[in-house]
Amino acid sequence: IVLTQSPGTLSLSPGERATLSCRASQSLSNNYLAWYQQKPGQAPRLLIYGASSRATDIPDRFSGSGSGTDFTLTISRLEPEDFAVYHCQQYGRSPITFGQGTRLEIK
Amino acid sequence: QLQLQESGPGLVKPSETLSLTCTVSGGSINSNSYFWGWGRQPPGKGLEWIGSISHSGSTFYTPSLQSRVTISADTSKNQFSLKLSSVTAADTAVYYCARRTSDGNNHYYVDYWGQGTLVTVSS
Repeated sequence: IVLTQSPGTLSLSPGERATLSCRASQSLSNNYLAWYQQKPGQAPRLLIYGASSRATDIPDRFSGSGSGTDFTLTISRLEPEDFAVYHCQQYGRSPITFGQGTRLEIK
Repeated sequence: QLQLQESGPGLVKPSETLSLTCTVSGGSINSNSYFWGWGRQPPGKGLEWIGSISHSGSTFYTPSLQSRVTISADTSKNQFSLKLSSVTAADTAVYYCARRTSDGNNHYYVDYWGQGTLVTVSS
């Protein structure tokens, strides 16, 4: 399953709302989609699984939504530490696959 | 707190075999609740999953790499390993070990990653 993330780069200011998209080439049954945050030189950090369930210790300004082939990660109010690269991943069909990433940068 | 740490050579020659080990602390790879696996990220590019191993030793590999990949585990040392044969420059990447956990429906997402180790393929 190919995952396509958009936009490639998103330029926003702290306090603004960020909306990141992930589109799957086939429908993901049971919404087996996860989102990760990755900062330079660091490992990815799990944010969301099951399309909308927040992982442990993830702030509630992060939310996931969507079903079928279209999924969204929303950051309600950007904090300075939120500027990073975000990856989506599907784990419903083998092999698990990732999107190419969206870079969220400070405007 | 679960920790995963990759180790192995940072430079491998073309056509040789890349070998990495992941040491797990704060949890047991013998647990039947998890899979353990490897992913990689070429410089400036996206993530690619390589494969996983279950507590019982069953392995699952990404088809594009299957002919060159072996993942194994040593439960006595709480470690699992990756071997990738016949490497080329295209295999240059940061390699991550990781844990996959079930979402309750027998499907497994990655919840923990190691810090990653850069492996360069060059003569």
